[in-house]
Amino acid sequence: GQSLEQPSEVTAVEGAIVQINCTYQTSGFYGLSWYQQHDGGAPTFLSYNALDGLEETGRFSSFLSRSDSYGYLLLQELQMKDSASYFCAARPRAGSYQLTFGKGTKLSVIP
Amino acid sequence: DAGVTQSPTHLIKTRGQHVTLRCSPISGHKSVSWYQQVLGQGPQFIFQYYEKEERGRGNFPDRFSARQFPNYSSELNVNALLLGDSALYLCASSLAQLQETQYFGPGTRLLVL
Repeated sequence: GQSLEQPSEVTAVEGAIVQINCTYQTSGFYGLSWYQQHDGGAPTFLSYNALDGLEETGRFSSFLSRSDSYGYLLLQELQMKDSASYFCAARPRAGSYQLTFGKGTKLSVIP
Repeated sequence: DAGVTQSPTHLIKTRGQHVTLRCSPISGHKSVSWYQQVLGQGPQFIFQYYEKEERGRGNFPDRFSARQFPNYSSELNVNALLLGDSALYLCASSLAQLQETQYFGPGTRLLVL
């Protein structure tokens, strides 16, 4: 089976940096993705790590360590509009069409 | 370019009824996946279709079925509705079968009374 664990809530100050962690237990693994979802909206793709290391896309970065079964999403220069839920997601094995999501982390950015 | 579209946006049904949800992928996208999202949870995979064939099925009962049409649009059908089927149903499209970037539609919010 496969499960991805994330903190349920995180609060951070506008302009600060926040890290959202994702740990996974799976019999197989094929990359880690991150999605953002505002209340009432659709999930939006943010980033994908196929290999270990850091991927940077503007203010957002994502990191993966397969040996530690761990990844994180790093948000810099936080803005109020970053208040949303963030989900990590993975495929249980190469060639699987199923994308499994974590339960999500609700980020609240405060002034 | 238009994004993924879904219809209807909201739906209210009673237990035992049947529902059909529709999805149009982004133009050129051949893969469509369906997800169920219960409030406070992450999306849960139901089906993936690619080139009109089912390529993956999640852990959902046989009351759930889907199909993809020649124009790559898709329908999700749920029979014998239960109260627990109340959720946001999301459709996502991608260019290829295993492309990691999935583009989600706004969803259909289903309430079963």
